[in-house]
Amino acid sequence: AQRVTQPEKLLSVFKGAPVELKCNYSYSGSPELFWYVQYSRQRLQLLLRHISRESIKGFTADLNKGETSFHLKKPFAQEEDSAMYYCALSPPGAGSYQLTFGKGTKLSVIP
Amino acid sequence: NAGVTQTPKFQVLKTGQSMTLQCAQDMNHEYMSWYRQDPGMGLRLIHYSVGAGITDQGEVPNGYNVSRSTTEDFPLRLLSAAPSQTSVYFCASSDQTAGTDTQYFGPGTRLTVL
Repeated sequence: AQRVTQPEKLLSVFKGAPVELKCNYSYSGSPELFWYVQYSRQRLQLLLRHISRESIKGFTADLNKGETSFHLKKPFAQEEDSAMYYCALSPPGAGSYQLTFGKGTKLSVIP
Repeated sequence: NAGVTQTPKFQVLKTGQSMTLQCAQDMNHEYMSWYRQDPGMGLRLIHYSVGAGITDQGEVPNGYNVSRSTTEDFPLRLLSAAPSQTSVYFCASSDQTAGTDTQYFGPGTRLTVL
């Protein structure tokens, strides 16, 4: 069965400190991987997907197939990064309409 | 563009009642999905659709029905509500043309079943 695990419910960092949000997945094959973010009082929105290899708002995520991880990183946290972050996967070729989500990590950036 | 809209925003039902959660999108997206989110849980896929007339089950389909008669609308029906269906429901749409695949979420419907 496919599964996404985000081991931290809450992560607090100081402004300017590096951020790493962990995501591990279980899937027999090569899934597509995503990070979604939900800011306070806003809708859930796509932050990035591994296939596009983009850097969005200074965040990057590296897919490690050996460790089945897709950790989200940012070198210097900003207060506006405070939000709920969800890692998700979909079967290869299925796209984003068939997602399995992790339980989410709440990032709090302390001024 | 309004994007993805959901109605109602809030709803309280009694056990055994039926209702339909509405979802509409004005982006001409092929794909639409319904998720539920419970406290401390991530979103879980209920049903999805890859086009008008085509629907399929997700991870937690029991107790829910869907149909997709038009590209724009994807209603979610609860035939006999149960307290276990108390949750926040999110609808989403996406399109995979032109090499993009961004899923747009609605604002959610908070449902309480007493």
